[in-house]
Amino acid sequence: DVKVTQSSRYLVKRTGEKVFLECVQDMDHENMFWYRQDPGLGLRLIYFSYDVKMKEKGDIPEGYSVSREKKERFSLILESASTNQTSMYLCASSWDGANYGYTFGSGTRLTVV
Amino acid sequence: GNSVTQMEGPVTLSEEAFLTINCTYTATGYPSLFWYVQYPGEGLQLLLKATKADDKGSNKGFEATYRKETTSFHLEKGSVQVSDSAVYFCALSQHTGANSKLTFGKGITLSVRP
Repeated sequence: DVKVTQSSRYLVKRTGEKVFLECVQDMDHENMFWYRQDPGLGLRLIYFSYDVKMKEKGDIPEGYSVSREKKERFSLILESASTNQTSMYLCASSWDGANYGYTFGSGTRLTVV
Repeated sequence: GNSVTQMEGPVTLSEEAFLTINCTYTATGYPSLFWYVQYPGEGLQLLLKATKADDKGSNKGFEATYRKETTSFHLEKGSVQVSDSAVYFCALSQHTGANSKLTFGKGITLSVRP
């Protein structure tokens, strides 16, 4: 089975810190995604990438950036963390999302204090 | 744009009750439809899918039928178990080849009492 691994399950960071969330997949998927999950709002797409060094903005990219230097790794960067970025962050990857859907990681719960 | 609307929650049922979770969508063309499940403390898992009209997806006793005439993909299970307690998300993806994105509904929490 394809596996998507997020480096941390829980993180606590201070306001203003630069935060890196790491995601690695082991099945050579072209496509990778970052979502945040908030109660009552469901999943909202932050950024996605269809190939190495490619990135595209999702629905809520403000305050975030991403890096994809290698095919298997997709990093989400909070340039200057703020309390409204406290959330659950989910990484996903896919080969053909329209026919097979995505595979998700277990999530990183980030708290910004 | 694309959108997915799920019924309001949470839903609480007794074990062995019948489950229906409503999902309707707005999209152009013929999207693929999915149900994902998120157990406590975990990421999302694909539960079932349907890629064209009138297809029925099924898994673990859950079923959903792709109804284009009503733009719906309702999730059903004949007899729920305590272990089905989770958050359920309906989602769609346009047929745009490999480079496709999923649009999710807001999710609904299901609690099953013994």
